[in-house]
Amino acid sequence: KQEVTQIPAALSVPEGENLVLNCSFTDSAIYNLQWFRQDPGKGLTSLLLIQSSQREQTSGRLNASLDKSSGRSTLYIAASQPGDSATYLCAVLRSNDYKLSFGAGTTVTVRA
Amino acid sequence: NAGVTQTPKFQVLKTGQSMTLQCAQDMNHEYMSWYRQDPGMGLRLIHYSVGAGITDQGEVPNGYNVSRSTTEDFPLRLLSAAPSQTSVYFCASRMGIAGLTDTQYFGPGTRLTVL
Repeated sequence: KQEVTQIPAALSVPEGENLVLNCSFTDSAIYNLQWFRQDPGKGLTSLLLIQSSQREQTSGRLNASLDKSSGRSTLYIAASQPGDSATYLCAVLRSNDYKLSFGAGTTVTVRA
Repeated sequence: NAGVTQTPKFQVLKTGQSMTLQCAQDMNHEYMSWYRQDPGMGLRLIHYSVGAGITDQGEVPNGYNVSRSTTEDFPLRLLSAAPSQTSVYFCASRMGIAGLTDTQYFGPGTRLTVL
């Protein structure tokens, strides 16, 4: 069974610091990995999708890496801003049944 | 283009009552799904559909029913509400079942409390 873990569960940093969010998964049989952002009381918004054959994806201040063999992904957010405060979730698309397995998320607070 | 819409946003039920959570998407996506989100846990799949007329169970299907009569709509029915079904429910869609680059789109969620 695919287990997805995100540690730490919560993180607080001063504005301007770079954020490093971790995601680990137990089964490397995946099609892709997605990072989502969730604001309080809202739905999930996709940030980045990395295909299993890729090593990283970038969008603006966001960069996500994927090491499928070791079961790890990292989301980097450069020069954090208070507007980056949210919960970040990762999810893997399992290649055996095409279903998503989600981590519980990391809640980020960026202090002004 | 409204994306994925859900109604209602909030709902309070008494134990034993039934209700339907509505979900619609206007992106012509084949794959639709329902998740529940509970504190400290990742999203868990309740039911999913790979196209009109085709539905299947996810990880936590007990107490829920779905149907998919059109591509756009995917309602979730609670048959007899229980306090354990207190949760936030999300509807999601993506283009196809196995698209390597298919982003998953989520609705805004329904916050359900069962007393």
